[in-house]
Amino acid sequence: DAGITQSPRHKVTETGTPVTLRCHQTENHRYMYWYRQDPGHGLRLIHYSYGVKDTDKGEVSDGYSVSRSKTEDFLLTLESATSSQTSVYFCAISEDREATNEKLFFGSGTQLSVL
Amino acid sequence: SQKIEQNSEALNIQEGKTATLTCNYTNYSPAYLQWYRQDPGRGPVFLLLIRENEKEKRKERLKVTFDTTLKQSLFHITASQPADSATYLCALDSMDSSYKLIFGSGTRLLVRP
Repeated sequence: DAGITQSPRHKVTETGTPVTLRCHQTENHRYMYWYRQDPGHGLRLIHYSYGVKDTDKGEVSDGYSVSRSKTEDFLLTLESATSSQTSVYFCAISEDREATNEKLFFGSGTQLSVL
Repeated sequence: SQKIEQNSEALNIQEGKTATLTCNYTNYSPAYLQWYRQDPGRGPVFLLLIRENEKEKRKERLKVTFDTTLKQSLFHITASQPADSATYLCALDSMDSSYKLIFGSGTRLLVRP
């Protein structure tokens, strides 16, 4: 999966607990993204980053925060997990937007269950 | 806000036939549109990108068209094979010209042997 590692691959947690998902890339791509995928909704963008310490919100950012202290790592944190955050989470990366290729490369996903 | 529509019903076709999937969008004129393939339990994989000034793009058995008047893209797989069975997602760039892709919910393709 294009040098993208998501961890953990599966996690079960309880409502109200904090959860951090990690995305690690070895491609040195500038842009990184967190999506969630739910039946009937498709992929929805949570947060994205356009450089170290540069992040912005996507369409479903409430209840989530992100951090990017290094080019290769993008962390997604659920401060206090809720059952509505049960989903499959995908990390994606893309090259510099000025390049001709603006496609995304995705990780294998993290299945998160909040009980 | 921009909206992307893909047929939520699975497309079931016979091996060897051409599969045609549709992606419609509203409230926006994207600069480009992309198609991805997703297998169960895996992340999406990029297939093709077509720009607004391109009418058609081909890659092996795949063909994508982009009709900016109809606000529609068609994705064709010719000589389909059971291995083509997967969910296919279309995506387009965000209307605010940021670095974001907006995805449709995908159409599942089943190719019968």
